[in-house]
Amino acid sequence: AQSVAQPEDQVNVAEGNPLTVKCTYSVSGNPYLFWYVQYPNRGLQFLLKYITGDNLVKGSYGFEAEFNKSQTSFHLKKPSALVSDSALYFCAVGGGTGRRALTFGSGTRLQVQP
Amino acid sequence: EADIYQTPRYLVIGTGKKITLECSQTMGHDKMYWYQQDPGMELHLIHYSYGVNSTEKGDLSSESTVSRIRTEHFPLTLESARPSHTSQYLCASSLGTGGTDTQYFGPGTRLTVL
Repeated sequence: AQSVAQPEDQVNVAEGNPLTVKCTYSVSGNPYLFWYVQYPNRGLQFLLKYITGDNLVKGSYGFEAEFNKSQTSFHLKKPSALVSDSALYFCAVGGGTGRRALTFGSGTRLQVQP
Repeated sequence: EADIYQTPRYLVIGTGKKITLECSQTMGHDKMYWYQQDPGMELHLIHYSYGVNSTEKGDLSSESTVSRIRTEHFPLTLESARPSHTSQYLCASSLGTGGTDTQYFGPGTRLTVL
């Protein structure tokens, strides 16, 4: 079994400030963790993933995510937000026993104010 | 350029009509997926395929059907559209096992049934 939770429906941050979008997961096997971004009227775009190794994963557009095994979390971060980062962000988990596809969270809307 | 395509992007149709949503990928991926995305943002897996002539139902029950006659093509069909089918439909593909591999998404089809 596997599941993922994104506790915040929306995150608001001022341009230039650091941002964090939270994600926690549950999986029966080793976790495979992903972040995707969705812009209006578009499909999901892959940002980054964690499989093994360094707990800090760097991805596209200056985003990074920190894997924390003890807290079962995989929060998405960026040191300095841009207005163009405003979008919908999805966390996803894979690796659960018997699962044949990723399980996606409910999404977090990021709003970056100028 | 390798990519994943969906047509049409937008479709408005009357109740009772038969519709087919097209999905094609040029990445040579064996695994393909259909997701339904509600206005409330969450993605629900409705169909997936391991390869040619292999299709299975996903987590969310759907009245739609799929076929996989060619590796690159994974169309979704609704025999008789109803207003409850109004949603966004996202197609995705992956190279690996599906349960752990990065999924790549098409731009989506926004379906409205009147």
